[in-house]
Amino acid sequence: GAGVSQSPSNKVTEKGKDVELRCDPISGHTALYWYRQSLGQGLEFLIYFQGNSAPDKSGLPSDRFSAERTGGSVSTLTIQRTQQEDSAVYLCASSRSSGSYNEQFFGPGTRLTVL
Amino acid sequence: AQTVTQSQPEMSVQEAETVTLSCTYDTSESDYYLFWYKQPPSRQMILVIRQEAYKQQNATENRFSVNFQKAAKSFSLKISDSQLGDAAMYFCASSPPMNYGGSQGNLIFGKGTKLSVKP
Repeated sequence: GAGVSQSPSNKVTEKGKDVELRCDPISGHTALYWYRQSLGQGLEFLIYFQGNSAPDKSGLPSDRFSAERTGGSVSTLTIQRTQQEDSAVYLCASSRSSGSYNEQFFGPGTRLTVL
Repeated sequence: AQTVTQSQPEMSVQEAETVTLSCTYDTSESDYYLFWYKQPPSRQMILVIRQEAYKQQNATENRFSVNFQKAAKSFSLKISDSQLGDAAMYFCASSPPMNYGGSQGNLIFGKGTKLSVKP
């Protein structure tokens, strides 16, 4: 079956502009995660969605970052008034979230460059 | 809070040889999972191997195996018979079980080790 997809693959924007990044999880996966991978760094957790529950936003770095998940499926990560330090690869992952262990399946990421 | 440390930014191995990537972690949890992920230039993270902390036996997946030392909080990855396709960034990660102490199962990653394979 289809894996996690993300769009766009690459995004170049000017400082101060808003951007939207999209994630399509694997069908049937109720859990969805966003991570940020800055140059030379590991992945940093941003936000978590589980079904229709309120998201865990504890990893969002500032109030310029927000995310929503419509109908328990597609998710959009929005960054307002982008800054150069927002340049990174943004990765989305989804999982079944059943039992104590959930394998997270990752998308190919969106590379965001803020000029 | 959990932390994961990978002390080797880059490693190199000759094709068909064996290489070991190091990882240490710190956690106050009694139950957790440990993972090694591979990230090729395509950027897609691929799960290589996972270890459940309560299992003493080291996990093995074909040419990949781990040396899990719980007391030392060490979790190294051994790649045997290295192949050109093994060249990638390798990330060590940990997470508590889902719904354990309110956990959402989000992964905590190290900064990665870039592995090069020489023909």
